[in-house]
Amino acid sequence: DGGITQSPKYLFRKEGQNVTLSCEQNLNHDAMYWYRQDPGQGLRLIYYSQIVNDFQKGDIAEGYSVSREKKESFPLTVTSAQKNPTAFYLCASSVTRTYNEQFFGPGTRLTVL
Amino acid sequence: GENVEQHPSTLSVQEGDSAVIKCTYSDSASNYFPWYKQELGKRPQLIIDIRSNVGEKKDQRIAVTLNKTAKHFSLHITETQPEDSAVYFCAASPNTDKLIFGTGTRLQVFP
Repeated sequence: DGGITQSPKYLFRKEGQNVTLSCEQNLNHDAMYWYRQDPGQGLRLIYYSQIVNDFQKGDIAEGYSVSREKKESFPLTVTSAQKNPTAFYLCASSVTRTYNEQFFGPGTRLTVL
Repeated sequence: GENVEQHPSTLSVQEGDSAVIKCTYSDSASNYFPWYKQELGKRPQLIIDIRSNVGEKKDQRIAVTLNKTAKHFSLHITETQPEDSAVYFCAASPNTDKLIFGTGTRLQVFP
């Protein structure tokens, strides 16, 4: 299961706090993605990046921010503006932007206390 | 934008029976249709995918069919086994940048 890692596995946050979720890949993939997974729902795209120093909003970007300063890293910050942040967050990567398999990390479960 | 609907949301079958999960998509420009399996507490993993220039693809007990005219595609699992129990997600790619996922099907295979 190596190749793409996420940390921490579990994260607890108080309301009003920003938190940053880590995503690292050593697969030399160009593209990276962040998804949110809620019970009974599919994977919803938050942000994605096709190349270093470039990223685009997905379907539910409000309250989140990302950076892509290095090819292997794509951290996600959940800001206090995200009103319902409790969810399972999955990071993924793919070789390039064209139709390719997305490989997922193990996920981070964020709980707001 | 693209919308993917997936049915059923839950599916229970007896071991050895077949299971079929169906998805429909809205954007006729979608060209890539992967299926992911997610076991409890684990990451989604690709089990099979199909591109728009192919109507059917098989991999041992798993097959996917695509009907571009009707804009739907299906996952077929034959001779189901208890280890097939998981949540299955379909997805469609309306462009080269991203995937749009269905809401998932929880498959339970009873011994």
